[in-house]
Amino acid sequence: GENVEQHPSTLSVQEGDSAVIKCTYSDSASNYFPWYKQELGKRPQLIIDIRSNVGEKKDQRIAVTLNKTAKHFSLHITETQPEDSAVYFCAASKQNNAGNMLTFGGGTRLMVKP
Amino acid sequence: GAVVSQHPSRVICKSGTSVKIECRSLDFQATTMFWYRQFPKQSLMLMATSNEGSKATYEQGVEKDKFLINHASLTLSTLTVTSAHPEDSSFYICSARAGSYNSPLHFGNGTRLTVT
Repeated sequence: GENVEQHPSTLSVQEGDSAVIKCTYSDSASNYFPWYKQELGKRPQLIIDIRSNVGEKKDQRIAVTLNKTAKHFSLHITETQPEDSAVYFCAASKQNNAGNMLTFGGGTRLMVKP
Repeated sequence: GAVVSQHPSRVICKSGTSVKIECRSLDFQATTMFWYRQFPKQSLMLMATSNEGSKATYEQGVEKDKFLINHASLTLSTLTVTSAHPEDSSFYICSARAGSYNSPLHFGNGTRLTVT
C-alpha cells in the first residue's frame, strides 16, 4: 500500500520567516495530494491541494510543489505568522477498490515565534 | 461549503460500557465515510471505511467486533465502541468526501473519548 513520509516532525521559525515541510510517497499511482492544518483539539482543515497534472499551486502565502518523478511534494509558507502555528499533515490519494483511500503523513508541528 | 457534523464532541464513560459516535454530512451525500483515530501528537490513523448500505472495510489490526460501524443512509455513519476500556481513550474523527477520490476530504470536529 501507499506510504507517506513527512519531515520534519517539528519546525520552529521566527515570525516573518518561511517554513517548508516535505513529504514523500511510495505509490506512483497516487495523483491527489492535499495538505491539512490541525490546531490543537480541532478538526483537520484543508489548506491547499494539488493534483498530479500540476507542478505547483499557490494561494496567497501558501504554495505546494509536486515532483512526480521523485515522488515528493512540499508545502511552503511564506511570511509566517503566529496563527500559522499548528500541526500540518500531508496526504496522498488515488482511486482504488475502496474508492477513496487517503494516506496521511506523520505530521509536522510548526511553531512560529513572535 | 461541505460540512461534516460529529457528535458528541466529548464523552466520558465507564469501562465496559458502549459509546456511539455519529457522523453526518449536512449538505451533501456521502456514499463513503472514513473513521480515524488520533493519539496525542500523532497522525490520523485510518480505522475503517464506511460504505452506505454495505459492510465497512476495516484496516488491519482494527477489531470489527469492537468498533461497530453502521452507514445507514447517505448522510449518516455511526461508530460504536463496544465494551470500552481505558486503552480505547482517544480522539476519534470521521470524514467524508462530497465528490470523487480527488475532491477535498471534510472532517468532523472529532470526539474525545475518555474511558475511566
